[in-house]
Parts: sequence; C-alpha cells; structure tokens
Amino acid sequence: QVQLVESGGGLVKPGGSLRLSCAASGFTFSDYYMSWIRQAPGKGLEWVSYISSSGRTIHYADSVKGRFTISRDDAKNSLYLQMNSLRAEDTAVYYCARDHYSSSYDFDSWGPGTLVTVSS
Amino acid sequence: DIQMTQSPSSVSASVGDRVTITCRASQGTSSWLAWYQQKPGKAPKLLIYAASSLQSGVPSRFSGSGSGTDFTLTISSLQPEDFATYYCQQAYSFPITFGQGTRLEIK
Repeated sequence: QVQLVESGGGLVKPGGSLRLSCAASGFTFSDYYMSWIRQAPGKGLEWVSYISSSGRTIHYADSVKGRFTISRDDAKNSLYLQMNSLRAEDTAVYYCARDHYSSSYDFDSWGPGTLVTVSS
Repeated sequence: DIQMTQSPSSVSASVGDRVTITCRASQGTSSWLAWYQQKPGKAPKLLIYAASSLQSGVPSRFSGSGSGTDFTLTISSLQPEDFATYYCQQAYSFPITFGQGTRLEIK
C-alpha cells in the first residue's frame, strides 16, 4: 500500500536550517507530482511547495520563496525540503503529500507529518 | 491568490443529522476543488475531488457539489466517526490554497 513517511523535524533556532525527508513506498514514486504542506499548531493547512514528476517544474508559497528548496531523488524514492533562514512562523507539522493524479493538484496520500519547532 | 472561505467555522450536530458545509472561492476555480477530513493528530484524508467525485473507499454518505466559486460538502447521515475538521482546497492555480476549516462537533 502507499506509504509516505517524513523525517528530519526537530527544534532549531531562528535563522537556522533543517532538511526534511519523505520516504515513499508502495507506488512508482517517479510517476507522481509531490508537495509539502504544513500546519502550524492549532491552525489550518498551508501548502508550501510542489515538484513535478520530472523535477523540472517547481512552485513555492510566497511565505517560503527564497528560503526553502524542494527536491526529489527518484532512485531513492525520496522527497526533500531544505529549509534555510527559519523563522518562528515556520513552526508547524510538515506533511509530504502525493498528487491524486498527474497535475491534479489535490492530494490522495499523506505522511503522518514531522514537527518543526523554530525557537530560541 | 485565490482565497477560500468556508462556512460555518464550526457546527454542532447529532448522529443521523444531515450536515452541509460551504466553501466559496474569491475567483472561479471551475471544478478544481477538493474536500478533506482531518481528525486530531492525524493527516488529512481526501474525501472529494473535482468538486463532486468521491474518492475511493470514502462512504457514499459524503457528497460534493458546485462549480465556479461556490461549493458544498454534504454528509447525509452523520456517523460518530465523522466528527472532525473539514477543509476545502482549490486545485485550479498556484499557490494552492485551503479554506480555514470547519469543525464538526457532537451536539
């Protein structure tokens, strides 16, 4: 069955960096567009970034543009999010999610999430 | 950016009730609209895609309708496991945006 598992979250100081990973299994990872979506404690869902199956098309939310970088390694069935210049407002559970079907931009599979806390 | 506004923000209902949640987009999204259910401490679950298509494995008591700017999610007969928070999401253009959520509580 489809499985997505995030890792790499933790406590980091403002201005610091963190790299999140998402390990995918149970489907042909290279066929799917993928996204990162986050949820601040007690708040709603915020889409963060998207990468196409080829890796050639990438989008970011304005709130993270220039600070976060999404990437993928199809050989390792893995999705990544490099987060630099972290701010307190980046504190959230970060989910990786799979596009329902090619460029549908809705999400049929999600990981359990990894918590990122930005605090001094 | 397309703003998504859900109403109500919260609703109390009883098992067996029919409940409708609405979602309005600040500009047209055709039928590129999805609905999710989220329970505390869990990842969201896709319920409805393309405004009215039921995701595989989702009970038929869930239904979606609408196009353009106005959409609805209806639960025909509430079950105990349906008490959760529901989000709409436009899949029409970047940035992808979600509604603020509707919390469905037990009366």
